[in-house]
Amino acid sequence: NAGVTQTPKFQVLKTGQSMTLQCAQDMNHEYMSWYRQDPGMGLRLIHYSVGAGITDQGEVPNGYNVSRSTTEDFPLRLLSAAPSQTSVYFCASSYELAGGYTGELFFGEGSRLTVL
Amino acid sequence: DAKTTQPTSMDCAEGRAANLPCNHSTISGNEYVYWYRQIHSQGPQYIIHGLKNNETNEMASLIITEDRKSSTLILPHATLRDTAVYYCIVRFGATSGTYKYIFGTGTRLKVLA
Repeated sequence: NAGVTQTPKFQVLKTGQSMTLQCAQDMNHEYMSWYRQDPGMGLRLIHYSVGAGITDQGEVPNGYNVSRSTTEDFPLRLLSAAPSQTSVYFCASSYELAGGYTGELFFGEGSRLTVL
Repeated sequence: DAKTTQPTSMDCAEGRAANLPCNHSTISGNEYVYWYRQIHSQGPQYIIHGLKNNETNEMASLIITEDRKSSTLILPHATLRDTAVYYCIVRFGATSGTYKYIFGTGTRLKVLA
């Protein structure tokens, strides 16, 4: 059981370049989400998904796209990178139980992105 | 969206109980309160969750007020390894079929030797 796997762990981009941060989980979790964490700050929700084919915006969605074609994968796309997107990105997943209770979030190790 | 409110920072002497408060005055009836902590720049780690009743596990205790508008995380015997940022979060949108977890800025707990 690998849990939540994020790739790459480190990435340097130039302004205007595009890239995709990958997130995969092998726990059959329906819920997946992306957060960004700027230095000294808390986590801010970018996008989330409650199941395959369903995505929604979080607190800071601008500049990012997501898709959820499978239960396992939830990639985050930066279409035209900007220095303001320099941050640590965390992917997290969770599961839903009967009665509306959602289990705890499982986090990946993070992807550190620098945009020059 | 309603948000949680936590003190920015707290200190606690090693071996003493650390009591971390959280205000979630707009919580809905079926929304759970979750606590996580983040050590350095690692991914946050789940600690405990609760709905109405007080909860205890091997890591901590969670006390939720009767009106559910606030809660307190208790680390009974804090150690230096408990130094971390502690986040109190509520899952919003529990009844709408789509839900999200919003993290606030958390409380930076420093355990002092």
